[in-house]
Amino acid sequence: DAKTTQPNSMESNEEEPVHLPCNHSTISGTDYIHWYRQLPSQGPEYVIHGLTSNVNNRMASLAIAEDRKSSTLILHRATLRDAAVYYCILVLTGGGNKLTFGTGTQLKVEL
Amino acid sequence: GAGVSQSPSNKVTEKGKDVELRCDPISGHTALYWYRQSLGQGLEFLIYFQGNSAPDKSGLPSDRFSAERTGGSVSTLTIQRTQQEDSAVYLCASSPTGVTLNFGNGTRLTVT
Repeated sequence: DAKTTQPNSMESNEEEPVHLPCNHSTISGTDYIHWYRQLPSQGPEYVIHGLTSNVNNRMASLAIAEDRKSSTLILHRATLRDAAVYYCILVLTGGGNKLTFGTGTQLKVEL
Repeated sequence: GAGVSQSPSNKVTEKGKDVELRCDPISGHTALYWYRQSLGQGLEFLIYFQGNSAPDKSGLPSDRFSAERTGGSVSTLTIQRTQQEDSAVYLCASSPTGVTLNFGNGTRLTVT
């Protein structure tokens, strides 16, 4: 399985943008890039996914490098509720396979 | 709408006992996953069901672990002769396509 690499932790101030990086240098052409986040004492929740083009939704934006070897999850204005562990994972086109989660990035948001 | 429901939310059991953990997926979701998460760790894949296909059991850590999915809906994860290293949060997820997953809040298992 292609693997992803993320920093263990990051800090941000409330109301500021946050850029969470992910490296996936061995990504294949059929892998989608997915992001999930896990708030304390909850199961992970889906955030966003993309293949080649940048993507936006109500929760976040996903910027994908032209060579697809890295991506960045962008939270435009961090709030205290965004403090969570963020996971970047690769998903085979069409799904139907086990999703391999790493240890993710612990995002801390301060006032 | 109803999400993925797991029960019990907490379970304390003595070493050597058997436990059953239940997952009620979102109605109509054909894919169902079990993961476990030890304290401070990432998610570890256990097993994956997709429709009527044979489940992918490649993540089950030992033959003490088994899972069933009856009627393509409810799933039960059974751990026999529990050990202290089985203590973890067991997470269930369902998906309509196996692409984006909807997780429950898990069952916290403590083996004493």
